[in-house]
Amino acid sequence: QLVVTQSPSASASLGASVKLACILSTGHSSYAIAWHQQRPEKGPRYLMKLNSDGSHTKGDGIPDRFSGSSSGAERYLTISSLQSEDEADYYCQTWGTGLWVFGGGTKLTVL
Amino acid sequence: EVQLVESGGGLVNPGGSLRLSCEASGFTFSDYNMNWVRQSPGKGLEWVSSISDSGSYIYHADSVKGRFIISRDNAKNSLYLEMTSLRGEDTGVYFCARDKVHDYWGQGTLVTVSS
Repeated sequence: QLVVTQSPSASASLGASVKLACILSTGHSSYAIAWHQQRPEKGPRYLMKLNSDGSHTKGDGIPDRFSGSSSGAERYLTISSLQSEDEADYYCQTWGTGLWVFGGGTKLTVL
Repeated sequence: EVQLVESGGGLVNPGGSLRLSCEASGFTFSDYNMNWVRQSPGKGLEWVSSISDSGSYIYHADSVKGRFIISRDNAKNSLYLEMTSLRGEDTGVYFCARDKVHDYWGQGTLVTVSS
C-alpha cells in the first residue's frame, strides 16, 4: 500500500535551517514526491517535485532557500535561513497509477 | 499567470448534492491532468479525484467512489466535481489543482454538510 509518513511537528530558530522528512512505504522507494507549503488560512502552494536521485524541480518563484534531497525511501525538504513567513504546514505527496497520496503534514514552528 | 478559481460550495443537507466548478486560465487547459483535493476542518490534505487531459481516464478515492464524479469541459477551460449522497465527513474546503504534481492550486471553496 502506497503511503507517505511525516512527523507531525518540527521547530527551528529564525535564521537557522531545518530538514523535514517524508518516508515512502516499503516497496516504493523509487517514487518521486512533491512538497507543498500551506500557510495559516491559505491554500496550498507547490514547492517542488523531488525524484529518488535527489534531483528536484521547483515551482515558480520558490526561493533558493528551499531545497530537496533523497536517501533510499526518505525524501527531505531543507529550508535554510528560516524566516517567520516559513511558519506553515508542509505536506509531501506521491502518486501511483490512479492514486495520489498525501502525508499527514508537518507543522513547522519558527522560534 | 496560471489561475484556478473554484466555486459552487455551500451548505447542504446530509444526503444532498452539490456541483463544484473550477475555472482555469493562463495555460492550455487541455494539456493537463486536473485534480480535486479536500481539507476537513483542522485536518490535512486528502486527494479526492483526478482526470486525464482528455477526460478519458478518471480516478476517485475510495472514500468518494460511487458518490462523486469528476469531469471537465476543455472548451470552457473548466473542471467539475459532481457530489451526491453527501455526508458530514465530506465537509471541508475543496481545492482544484493542476497536473499530477499539483503545481498550481486554487483558493478553495467551502462545502458544509449539515442539517
